[in-house]
Amino acid sequence: EVQSVESGGGLVQPGGSLRLSCAASGFTFRSVWMAWVRQGPVKGLEWVANIDQDGIVTNYLDSVKGRFTVSRDNAKNSLYLQMNALRADDTAVYYCARDSGWGAHDYWGQGTLVTVSS
Amino acid sequence: QSALTQPPSASGSPGQSVTISCTGTSSSVANYNYISWYHQHPGKAPKLIIYEVTKRPSGVPDRFSGSKAGNTASLTVSGLQPEDEGDYYCSSHGGLSYVFGTGTTVTVL
Repeated sequence: EVQSVESGGGLVQPGGSLRLSCAASGFTFRSVWMAWVRQGPVKGLEWVANIDQDGIVTNYLDSVKGRFTVSRDNAKNSLYLQMNALRADDTAVYYCARDSGWGAHDYWGQGTLVTVSS
Repeated sequence: QSALTQPPSASGSPGQSVTISCTGTSSSVANYNYISWYHQHPGKAPKLIIYEVTKRPSGVPDRFSGSKAGNTASLTVSGLQPEDEGDYYCSSHGGLSYVFGTGTTVTVL
């Protein structure tokens, strides 16, 4: 069974940092692109970043460029999102999602909530 | 890219059909065939139900169908069932990024 489990969310003050993790199982993790997608109360679903199979090519939403870094460890079947300089509008549930290769995300984790507030 | 535009809500009685539109621009919908649709129940993760405009992943009922004309993609749910309630989102993949729609809440009356 394909499964992704996110962790690392929580309450953080504006300007703070958090590192999200996603543990994947049930598929050949090292063979697929992976992505982070968030769902906030105002902006709805929003693609945040993705990373290629080897962890070399990364792409980011303009508003997180320079603040967020996506990475992966294929030996641990894990995906990460380092989030720095967090702002209130980064508040959202963050999902780890598998890129299907068909321009869509075919499996999603259950999400982890990030709240940025003083 | 700006979010794709969807109607906030749609409804239908059991057995009826409902169609949800997803409007973008030539740079987000018309020129791309990577249009997908997701169904989300409250408190749950989105589930992929349509990809590449018209294709259904394994296990998705054929009551769900997708189409596209110009800058507008559409999802039709035929033979509505109670479990079809929830939020529906379209998505477009072009270039290096993805953009999602604003979401439509479907109510089965």
